[in-house]
Amino acid sequence: SQQGEEDPQALSIQEGENATMNCSYKTSINNLQWYRQNSGRGLVHLILIRSNEREKHSGRLRVTLDTSKKSSSLLITASRAADTASYFCATVDTGRRALTFGSGTRLQVQP
Amino acid sequence: EAGVAQSPRYKIIEKRQSVAFWCNPISGHATLYWYQQILGQGPKLLIQFQNNGVVDDSQLPKDRFSAERLKGVDSTLKIQPAKLEDSAVYLCASSQIPPSATRQETQYFGPGTRLLVL
Repeated sequence: SQQGEEDPQALSIQEGENATMNCSYKTSINNLQWYRQNSGRGLVHLILIRSNEREKHSGRLRVTLDTSKKSSSLLITASRAADTASYFCATVDTGRRALTFGSGTRLQVQP
Repeated sequence: EAGVAQSPRYKIIEKRQSVAFWCNPISGHATLYWYQQILGQGPKLLIQFQNNGVVDDSQLPKDRFSAERLKGVDSTLKIQPAKLEDSAVYLCASSQIPPSATRQETQYFGPGTRLLVL
């Protein structure tokens, strides 16, 4: 079963704009991770945020986590055409070890 | 460093046939995962190995799916007999050490095997 839901399901923006994707989950977690998947490819790990962290940055990526609302957001600043991909949030639930993925947001960045 | 290797990349079979997928994880990675990704959805864990032992196979349809990881390195996932709803991408991932409450480990994914069951 899917743990979380990403919102929106699809997003189309112009190059240079910021893209924000949201993720909601249902259970208590150890950490939350964001992955990118280019069409026809495997997933690439982007960033991990622990349950006791509220915000994390990595290059053009900014992730926030609100455990009281069971939600996270991924912000990609100054988007590029190469950012076109599907983005998934995944949680490591308390007491488990494996990732539980959401349904993903398909991002299209128009050049 | 070589990534996670999977083969074949594509497979088309008819329902009720059997199929096997192979995965070679990153050298030295103790934990190996198999995921099923149906079109339009996120990956779903099928089975997790730590070395050659099974850690989690709670979502593996054991009546038709089987997996093994002999010698704690390569792994094979088999489907027998296949059903139409098994059409999906099968992703293999590995991590250096198993994640725990105090230790977070990135999973590295292979390119996947795209299966079409007709």
